[in-house]
Amino acid sequence: DTAVSQTPKYLVTQMGNDKSIKCEQNLGHDTMYWYKQDSKKFLKIMFSYNNKELIINETVPNRFSPKSPDKAHLNLHINSLELGDSAVYFCASSQAHGGGTGELFFGEGSRLTVL
Amino acid sequence: GENVEQHPSTLSVQEGDSAVIKCTYSDSASNYFPWYKQELGKGPQLIIDIRSNVGEKKDQRIAVTLNKTAKHFSLHITETQPEDSAVYFCAASKGPKLTFGTGTRLTIIP
Repeated sequence: DTAVSQTPKYLVTQMGNDKSIKCEQNLGHDTMYWYKQDSKKFLKIMFSYNNKELIINETVPNRFSPKSPDKAHLNLHINSLELGDSAVYFCASSQAHGGGTGELFFGEGSRLTVL
Repeated sequence: GENVEQHPSTLSVQEGDSAVIKCTYSDSASNYFPWYKQELGKGPQLIIDIRSNVGEKKDQRIAVTLNKTAKHFSLHITETQPEDSAVYFCAASKGPKLTFGTGTRLTIIP
């Protein structure tokens, strides 16, 4: 039974298109994240939501818009895709304690290729 | 913001030998230091973590040490096995934001 699941696993699209990646966690965690991993394997946080409220919003172009309909779901919508958006996007969740992150549970990633 | 540097970027060791990966962090207020292992085609997975009130922690073949004064922490893997081959990430956080190091690709040579 997958704890953090992302769809789709692979996404190939043309520049200028709009696409979405969905994420769901069944761990009962309060906090969810989106991370971007580039071709050099650097993992960079993009957004974090706690109980549907945005708590981290890094310097990300406003073409990226996260949406959390409930605490088990965090979706990522990307408008006007650019070549530089090609990467693997990871969703994660955690049950933070004492203000820290706690252990992050990652999904298997969604590989986005922009042509 | 927090900056985490990780060395080396690649590491090859003979099976059975030990591997050490080192990280430094910039924000002295960081208080949580996890290590993640990422296998090919998968998401990172926590293997061990340490908090700032502890200097060392061990779990079977894996140990982590923390030097708060010098702001560096290290991962030690003993008696390495082929299944230890993966990319390893250190990370540091205070509050809700976890900042990752740049990763180390560890290869175990049979």
